[in-house]
Amino acid sequence: QSALTQPASVSGSLGQSITISCTGTSSDVGSYNLVSWYQQHPGKAPKLMIYEVSKRPSGVSNRFSGSKSGNTASLTISGLQAEDEADYYCCSYAGITPYVFGTGTKVTVL
Amino acid sequence: EVQLVESGGGLVQPGGSLRLSCAASGFTVSSNYMSWVRQAPGKGLEWVSVIYSGGSTDYADSVKGRFTISRDNSKNTLYLQMNSLRAEDTAVYYCARVAPSKYFDLWGRGTLVTVSS
Repeated sequence: QSALTQPASVSGSLGQSITISCTGTSSDVGSYNLVSWYQQHPGKAPKLMIYEVSKRPSGVSNRFSGSKSGNTASLTISGLQAEDEADYYCCSYAGITPYVFGTGTKVTVL
Repeated sequence: EVQLVESGGGLVQPGGSLRLSCAASGFTVSSNYMSWVRQAPGKGLEWVSVIYSGGSTDYADSVKGRFTISRDNSKNTLYLQMNSLRAEDTAVYYCARVAPSKYFDLWGRGTLVTVSS
């Protein structure tokens, strides 16, 4: 099972919106509405930001939103803030495998 | 407080063994799916293994036959026995709770495993 494909880096100015893509296959992202997203600051453990494609856990800002179309999931961060600068990983349930992570995206706030 | 605390990491020679532990508090390990996820230095997250509430297990191809996930219900603790370690197993190992909808909703802080001579 290959890792899901994410852009290596995405940047945006304070207050802007950015979108991170996560491309898989019909065996993972395309087959299940079970995509989750994690934020990771340097030296810290990952933190759940989105689950089941578009649901937000309690305590996560509504500036974070998720969606999916076909084999590609997306994470949008609106009203970009300095504390959003971090690495972001998508993850999909993949049946037999059963979990596959994305390659990761470094978000830079300009 | 609901939390996971890993321990057992360290420096080990290639071909050696190590056992990681993950002590849970605030919830019951045996009632949940539990996983290990690792992150090599400067690299991304990689799923390693899962143990289901019924006791069955799954492994990534990269560790199958070398790593064994288990739990001790009396100690509410998750384990990862790692044998025949290779340099490419060097990583921070996180334990994580898996929610029914297949996402990792609780993470430990991680423990570093370094495989080197």
